[in-house]
Amino acid sequence: DVKVTQSSRYLVKRTGEKVFLECVQDMDHENMFWYRQDPGLGLRLIYFSYDVKMKEKGDIPEGYSVSREKKERFSLILESASTNQTSMYLCASSRDRVGQPQHFGDGTRLSIL
Amino acid sequence: DQQVKQNSPSLSVQEGRISILNCDYTNSMFDYFLWYKKYPAEGPTFLISISSIKDKNEDGRFTVFLNKSAKHLSLHIVPSQPGDSAVYFCAASVRNNDMRFGAGTRLTVKP
Repeated sequence: DVKVTQSSRYLVKRTGEKVFLECVQDMDHENMFWYRQDPGLGLRLIYFSYDVKMKEKGDIPEGYSVSREKKERFSLILESASTNQTSMYLCASSRDRVGQPQHFGDGTRLSIL
Repeated sequence: DQQVKQNSPSLSVQEGRISILNCDYTNSMFDYFLWYKKYPAEGPTFLISISSIKDKNEDGRFTVFLNKSAKHLSLHIVPSQPGDSAVYFCAASVRNNDMRFGAGTRLTVKP
């Protein structure tokens, strides 16, 4: 069974802090993704990565960066947290093959005060 | 600009009846469509998918229908069970990368 693990379920940070959200998958998946989920907006893609050290912007990359130094780990970084980044953050991974679904972690609920 | 739309935020059905969840998309390049189910405090889990070369895919109680000319897909759950109560997300992608999700529909199945 695929396991995608997000380091924290709940996180509270202050405005202006640098915030790191970590995600690890154990199935040797090539692709990894970061989304945020907000009411009425569904899941919006922030960044994704097809391979180690590769990254691509999604729909809402502003205010975020990512790091993929190892295949199993994909980190989301909030450079200077702001209150509008309060959200549920979801990490996912998938095989780089047509028809392969994404597997999600349980999410990190981040509150920026 | 939302490329995948779920216009019904919620749906309530009686146990044993059919649940029909709808989804519309705008990008004709999408070639793979998926449905995910999400319980509170958990990540979405994959339910069923369909490629653009098909118009129907069935898996047990779940069937997905694709109408490419209308850019519309639907998920049918028959018979609906209380354990099906969850938020359902429709998603679409080009070659399974760069997936786009709808806003979700909250399904409530009443006993």
